[in-house]
Amino acid sequence: DTAVSQTPKYLVTQMGNDKSIKCEQNLGHDTMYWYKQDSKKFLKIMFSYNNKELIINETVPNRFSPKSPDKAHLNLHINSLELGDSAVYFCASSDSTVGDNSPLHFGNGTRLTVT
Amino acid sequence: GEDVEQSLFLSVREGDSSVINCTYTDSSSTYLYWYKQEPGAGLQLLTYIFSNMDMKQDQRLTVLLNKKDKHLSLRIADTQTGDSAIYFCAAPEVGKSTFGDGTTLTVKP
Repeated sequence: DTAVSQTPKYLVTQMGNDKSIKCEQNLGHDTMYWYKQDSKKFLKIMFSYNNKELIINETVPNRFSPKSPDKAHLNLHINSLELGDSAVYFCASSDSTVGDNSPLHFGNGTRLTVT
Repeated sequence: GEDVEQSLFLSVREGDSSVINCTYTDSSSTYLYWYKQEPGAGLQLLTYIFSNMDMKQDQRLTVLLNKKDKHLSLRIADTQTGDSAIYFCAAPEVGKSTFGDGTTLTVKP
């Protein structure tokens, strides 16, 4: 199946721990994103990568570090987890070669709970 | 940066029409999008409109765009219980899409 897939689907961890979320897309897209959806369902962009290069970094704490080993993968590593990091994290991808306004394709999300 | 605003909640009876509204600040986007998020799932692209169009119809969905007022709306005809979801409008910029806060549509039988 062509898709954006992210793992794990659920992540429960304690404050202070370090965790990673992985994302892969097989759509051949060149741009990938991380979005955070809070408890009120508001969706905010965190990072955007185009061809493995960081192009958007929206006032995200340094504890969050994205890594893009290749165009098809964008992983998110979070250090020293805090209670406020609890949210659903969505990975997405798009094809910038068809234009700057091309639609995003989303993964199903990773629900992170920090206790 | 782009600001996109939506009302947060809408409740309708099954069979009625639903109208979800969105306003945006940046008029340079070539396309404007509507996404649907069902519980526990990611966002799925529902429909879109090209910025030089006023209206686009796709089966039960009608998208209206008023560029002068920077107003976008999504009308769902004959709303069904399966339409209950959160609907987001999105106005893309370079390298990202700015989403509205989402409108939770509740369809009552």
